[in-house]
Amino acid sequence: QSVLSQPPSVSGTPGQRVTISCSGTRFNIGTNYVYWYQHVPGTAPKLLIYKNDQRPSGVPDRFSGSKSGTSASLAISGLRSEDEADYFCAGWDDTLSGRVVFGGGTKLSVL
Amino acid sequence: QVQLVQSGGEVKKFGASVRVSCKASGYTFTTHAISWVRRAPGQGLEWMGWISPYDGATNYAQNVKDRLILTTETSTNTAYLELRSLTFDDTAVYYCAREETSSGWYEVWGQGTLLTVSS
Repeated sequence: QSVLSQPPSVSGTPGQRVTISCSGTRFNIGTNYVYWYQHVPGTAPKLLIYKNDQRPSGVPDRFSGSKSGTSASLAISGLRSEDEADYFCAGWDDTLSGRVVFGGGTKLSVL
Repeated sequence: QVQLVQSGGEVKKFGASVRVSCKASGYTFTTHAISWVRRAPGQGLEWMGWISPYDGATNYAQNVKDRLILTTETSTNTAYLELRSLTFDDTAVYYCAREETSSGWYEVWGQGTLLTVSS
């Protein structure tokens, strides 16, 4: 069971907007930054969002992140077929002498 | 350009050990910690630990800390992961990743190394 909780799957049709939630505690999301990664198995994970809501250069503005309290969200607008992948939230957790924690991952299907 | 290049896939017997390398280029190796992350079949991403090439400081995940050794060789800009007493649950793709200024922030990743543990 992952420290950060995500829905196992979400789906949408091309052009739609979907959101993926990430729930934590005061020991991780509540006090530290949240990061979002896109992962297609067999390739390297890709950073989509850093420091809660910042986009690295090269990441389309269709991807946006937000954080409130002990929860965070990733929104993907204008859904495209190539967005079909697994999405993970991540961050620092202050327990157990400190550690990086990932959410369990959300499979996005573009129907 | 900044990149991390990992060693090739491995097949190891149950109970054996494995060593995976991650060679950095395009930046000053000692200025960024290296984390190791794995993804087992049907599972999510799992952080295993990080190491600072600057001073060798390490931080290991609780579930592997008794079997995992992370090291770096600054003369060759290479980080190493050694995992001992392999079990079938260690079958996964292993990634090295460069930490930015905050833990969990990885902009640069290695291409991944598949480890298969067999009987």
